[in-house]
Amino acid sequence: SAVISQKPSRDICQRGTSLTIQCQVDSQVTMMFWYRQQPGQSLTLIATANQGSEATYESGFVIDKFPISRPNLTFSTLTVSNMSPEDSSIYLCSVASGRISSTDTQYFGPGTRLTVL
Amino acid sequence: QKEVEQDPGPLSVPEGAIVSLNCTYSNSAFQYFMWYRQYSRKGPELLMYTYSSGNKEDGRFTAQVDKSSKYISLFIRDSQPSDSATYLCAMSEANDYKLSFGAGTTVTVRA
Repeated sequence: SAVISQKPSRDICQRGTSLTIQCQVDSQVTMMFWYRQQPGQSLTLIATANQGSEATYESGFVIDKFPISRPNLTFSTLTVSNMSPEDSSIYLCSVASGRISSTDTQYFGPGTRLTVL
Repeated sequence: QKEVEQDPGPLSVPEGAIVSLNCTYSNSAFQYFMWYRQYSRKGPELLMYTYSSGNKEDGRFTAQVDKSSKYISLFIRDSQPSDSATYLCAMSEANDYKLSFGAGTTVTVRA
């Protein structure tokens, strides 16, 4: 499995500011994903980060609020913009194990714990 | 109704007991079923990965899938305090990278 790191591991931010979370993988991967994990709730997919094209967002998530970059096959960033306390959550990146096929699964980074005051 | 239902627990068992976890789902198109383990303040770690119905065993862990009942289980034999974590079930349709997760069950194994 790939080794995935995220920065920062945690942060406390003020309302109205933005935070950019970085995700680095130790090998080239086709698919990278960003999830949100709120206390007591399921992991929710925010978007799929596509290398060389716009990210694909899930229902309820928009690019203006969660802009994503994917400059190469080992790196992606997620920005949480104009934050409010409701954005307090754990943000996780994940990668697919290979090219998209019926046998793919996902591996996760350690997460970024965000608290918005 | 959520697509994947998982009892959040918490579940507390003595060391050496069998831990039984389960999830139910509503989407009959799900073909791939996974269990992740998440320690406190860590990312989810893939434990088991199964396709369609049947059983899969890996050491102390056994995953079962019953597609006719839309029900999956994870059993942990001879549980250890190091097994204390939150266990998440996840599933996907064939040829689809999107995973649907349960909310997770928190397990504590008492020494």
